[in-house]
Amino acid sequence: EIALTQSPGILSLSPGERATLSCRTSQSINNNYLAWYQQKLGQAPRLLIYGASSRATGIPDRFSGSGSGTDFTLTISRLEPEDFAVYYCQQHGDILFTFGPGTKLEIK
Amino acid sequence: QIQLQQSGPGLVKPSQTLSLTCTISGDSVSSSGATWNWIRQSPSRGLEWLGRTYYRSKWYNNYAVSVKSRITINPDTSKNQFSLQLNSVTPEDTAVYFCARDPPEIHSVFDIWGQGTVVTVSS
Repeated sequence: EIALTQSPGILSLSPGERATLSCRTSQSINNNYLAWYQQKLGQAPRLLIYGASSRATGIPDRFSGSGSGTDFTLTISRLEPEDFAVYYCQQHGDILFTFGPGTKLEIK
Repeated sequence: QIQLQQSGPGLVKPSQTLSLTCTISGDSVSSSGATWNWIRQSPSRGLEWLGRTYYRSKWYNNYAVSVKSRITINPDTSKNQFSLQLNSVTPEDTAVYFCARDPPEIHSVFDIWGQGTVVTVSS
């Protein structure tokens, strides 16, 4: 099973700032199949990015993904108030799909 | 617009069976490209994929190793639903359970989710 770690655990920023979230996998991911989700309190996760860098339908272009191998990054270029939430990465290259523990993005 | 609507009890006694249903609208459980998944979330285990069912000329299932001996996911084509059964539950199975679609055009991500069901295992 591929394990995912995320850093930082909590990220405190202000609206308008740039956010950089990291996800590291225990082994290289096939085809860079790494996805990112956003989850707000009491809601289901929302797919943002798949295949490391492809935005899902309807996702604003301030969200971007990058990385390969075992190191991946989600960048939010300019934070909007609605972006403060918990972000999870998920590897979708191995049938035993696994998620990271999450990064909480909070308002500073 | 594709939607998933979950139903089922929120309280299950230890050693009994957890049963949830996910009703699909706007898509088909028999879709040749999608897969239909159950995922749970708890403070101790985080987000945990449990298993899936899908149709590719015949029905297939895949299950997570952690629950493989206790889980069954079944499609119901007449009602356009799929269900989760988890046997011999313990308090460690207390979690929010989600059903989710893995779309045909993207490999193994979850783009449509049910509303979530809080399931507590307690006597």
